[in-house]
Amino acid sequence: GENVEQHPSTLSVQEGDSAVIKCTYSDSASNYFPWYKQELGKRPQLIIDIRSNVGEKKDQRIAVTLNKTAKHFSLHITETQPEDSAVYFCAASSFTGTASKLTFGTGTRLQVTL
Amino acid sequence: NAGVMQNPRHLVRRRGQEARLRCSPMKGHSHVYWYRQLPEEGLKFMVYLQKENIIDESGMPKERFSAEFPKEGPSILRIQQVVRGDSAAYFCASSPGGRSYNEQFFGPGTRLTVL
Repeated sequence: GENVEQHPSTLSVQEGDSAVIKCTYSDSASNYFPWYKQELGKRPQLIIDIRSNVGEKKDQRIAVTLNKTAKHFSLHITETQPEDSAVYFCAASSFTGTASKLTFGTGTRLQVTL
Repeated sequence: NAGVMQNPRHLVRRRGQEARLRCSPMKGHSHVYWYRQLPEEGLKFMVYLQKENIIDESGMPKERFSAEFPKEGPSILRIQQVVRGDSAAYFCASSPGGRSYNEQFFGPGTRLTVL
């Protein structure tokens, strides 16, 4: 089955700096890669996703890149703000015409300091 | 458009009791997933259901756990004879299926505590 590894497990940046979180996956059939943000005690919230037919996607301060050959994808947050502090999870899924489960990474705790 | 609903939000059970968790998907969504999150850990897939069908239960423990998504009403995750190790947050997610590339939206979770 799919295995997703995520690094780093913790990340501390100063406000205004950029943050990068990296994930690798094992199943070459995976073709959908979402990122979730989870604040303490809250639900995971989908913040951005990318499909395997795209190499990069951007939404304001958030961008995701995908390298299918190397089987890795990354989340980039620019101009970080204190409200970006949370745990971020990457995930992978193989969509084959019917929906399928997400396999999650172990999470990155991002702390944005003033 | 209401999001994914789960109840109860918090559930306390004693060892040996049954826990019943409910999930109502977003309007128009016909696919439901259950995930378990242990403290300080990631989310682990348990089961994927469509109306009246279990599609994938590869993450469900073989004993004591069951799930259903009836034609009418919410999806239910049932844990019989709970043990302390069942204490976790249980999240349900829904997706519309079809061409939506499996975008899954999560409910607020049920935090189960087993005494």
